[in-house]
Amino acid sequence: AQSVTQLDSQVPVFEEAPVELRCNYSSSVSVYLFWYVQYPNQGLQLLLKYLSGSTLVKGINGFEAEFNKSQTSFHLRKPSVHISDTAEYFCAVSDLTASKLTFGTGTRLQVTL
Amino acid sequence: EAGVAQSPRYKIIEKRQSVAFWCNPISGHATLYWYQQILGQGPKLLIQFQNNGVVDDSQLPKDRFSAERLKGVDSTLKIQPAKLEDSAVYLCASSSRGDPSYEQYFGPGTRLTVT
Repeated sequence: AQSVTQLDSQVPVFEEAPVELRCNYSSSVSVYLFWYVQYPNQGLQLLLKYLSGSTLVKGINGFEAEFNKSQTSFHLRKPSVHISDTAEYFCAVSDLTASKLTFGTGTRLQVTL
Repeated sequence: EAGVAQSPRYKIIEKRQSVAFWCNPISGHATLYWYQQILGQGPKLLIQFQNNGVVDDSQLPKDRFSAERLKGVDSTLKIQPAKLEDSAVYLCASSSRGDPSYEQYFGPGTRLTVT
């Protein structure tokens, strides 16, 4: 079984500032890793995913994440945020065979002027 | 391409009543998922279908929850009878294949309030 920990429940940041949302996972087997974004009253949208290969993954809307196997982390970063990035961000993990996603509890990113 | 459709968007019921949610996945997607998202938590998988067969329902409270996907297309999730702790957003997602590397596309969800 896998688990995901998102230590920061809320992250306030000013517009145009950089941001990092932290994600750590636990698993006894190899995993795929995902970041999803959820805007108010909407479903989840995939930002990016790590399947294999390069540990630096680039996604939509200027986001990127780095897979660190030794630290079992998959932190999400953006060099300059916009007001429109205000949303809930979920890190998720699955094993390599079953498509069941295990989600973290989410991090609310609040961007202000 | 139309996305995943869900209805109703909102539902308020009293405890011990019954409720049903409907999901229409993206056309051609063989895999369909139902998730429960309680306020302040991440989504939790309730059931996964591959066409009209169940792949994983290990976290579905089968004494009160049921789901079906009769023709391998749209799906219905039912709760009977509802409890206060069932208040949550119920998300439907679909994927072209039941492979974890394939993206899951989520609908807008149905927000259930049980009073």
